[in-house]
Amino acid sequence: AQKVTQAQTEISVVEKEDVTLDCVYETRDTTYYLFWYKQPPSGELVFLIRRNSFDEQNEISGRYSWNFQKSTSSFNFTITASQVVDSAVYFCALSEGVNYGQNFVFGPGTRLSVLP
Amino acid sequence: DAGITQSPRHKVTETGTPVTLRCHQTENHRYMYWYRQDPGHGLRLIHYSYGVKDTDKGEVSDGYSVSRSKTEDFLLTLESATSSQTSVYFCATFSGNNEQFFGPGTRLTVL
Repeated sequence: AQKVTQAQTEISVVEKEDVTLDCVYETRDTTYYLFWYKQPPSGELVFLIRRNSFDEQNEISGRYSWNFQKSTSSFNFTITASQVVDSAVYFCALSEGVNYGQNFVFGPGTRLSVLP
Repeated sequence: DAGITQSPRHKVTETGTPVTLRCHQTENHRYMYWYRQDPGHGLRLIHYSYGVKDTDKGEVSDGYSVSRSKTEDFLLTLESATSSQTSVYFCATFSGNNEQFFGPGTRLTVL
């Protein structure tokens, strides 16, 4: 069965530090999608990125970057020069198959605290 | 913002009563989702839809049914609510630009 592991339960950094959130997944499918989401203390859910299994290019969006490595089944997320507003719980997720909901599972989340 | 609304936003009901949660979107997105979030279990997919009248089960679909008769509405029904269905429910859509948008959530309490 598919599985997503986020080994870091909580991380604390000081503002302006870089931080990497780890995500390791397990799947037997060759076609799958990986996601990252943010849930700030206000409780809303924010989609950050979707990556398909055939695209291993790293992605950068402002201070955010993602490193997808199929060889290690990892899809790690790095925040550069962290800010207090980055404090949130971050979830990694996996969806198998061609539809965006097939066998969809979330990781347990990593709580990031960015201290001023 | 994909104009996703959820109704009701809060509901308290009793065990055994039927409950329907509504998700409404204004952007004509094809894919729609219902998730639940619980302490200790995190986020889990209940059902999703990939088009009008096309739905499929997620990780925790038992006790829930869905319907999508129009592109803009995705209904989640608890036929006979149980206390284990007390949760925060999120609706979401996926756009053609590969962006996902979430509704504000519905807090459901089953007594």
